[in-house]
Amino acid sequence: AQKITQTQPGMFVQEKEAVTLDCTYDTSDPSYGLFWYKQPSSGEMIFLIYQGSYDQQNATEGRYSLNFQKARKSANLVISASQLGDSAMYFCAMREIGSGNTGKLIFGQGTTLQVKP
Amino acid sequence: DSGVTQTPKHLITATGQRVTLRCSPRSGDLSVYWYQQSLDQGLQFLIQYYNGEERAKGNILERFSAQQFPDLHSELNLSSLELGDSALYFCASSVAPHLSGANVLTFGAGSRLTVL
Repeated sequence: AQKITQTQPGMFVQEKEAVTLDCTYDTSDPSYGLFWYKQPSSGEMIFLIYQGSYDQQNATEGRYSLNFQKARKSANLVISASQLGDSAMYFCAMREIGSGNTGKLIFGQGTTLQVKP
Repeated sequence: DSGVTQTPKHLITATGQRVTLRCSPRSGDLSVYWYQQSLDQGLQFLIQYYNGEERAKGNILERFSAQQFPDLHSELNLSSLELGDSALYFCASSVAPHLSGANVLTFGAGSRLTVL
């Protein structure tokens, strides 16, 4: 069964520094997608970045990049040049894309990031 | 505004009662997903509909039911409410889910249910 693990309940980072949020996953499906979402204190879920299991390069979206290590089954989110507005809960999620793909995402428990001025 | 509309935003009710949460998906999206976010359980997948039909079921209690109507809006019905049902309920929508692994789920703002 697919599983997502985020082992860091909370993280602190100094403004303007980079931070890495950890995510490991488990699946027997060779075809899958990995996602990161941000949930600020206001509660909405905001999509940040996507990585496909067959993508050759790590995904990047502005200050967000995904450090994808397939053999280790890890998909860590790297936020560069942290800003105060980055303070939020971050969720890693996975979708299995094999036969029977329903499109649903399974989420990890989340990591709370606080950016210090 | 994500384009996914959820009502009501907040709801306070008593144990044993029944409530209905409503979701209108983003224009063009055919699939609707319901998630429950509670403090101790994280984001749990409940159920998914695609073009009016149930597509996948997660950890949805028997006291809960959902449906997607011909106009693609969806409703999540929660009955015989218990204190533990207090949570933030999210609806998300996407285009045809089987077409692409990169198919992004767009979330609504959520409905916060408090059971007293």
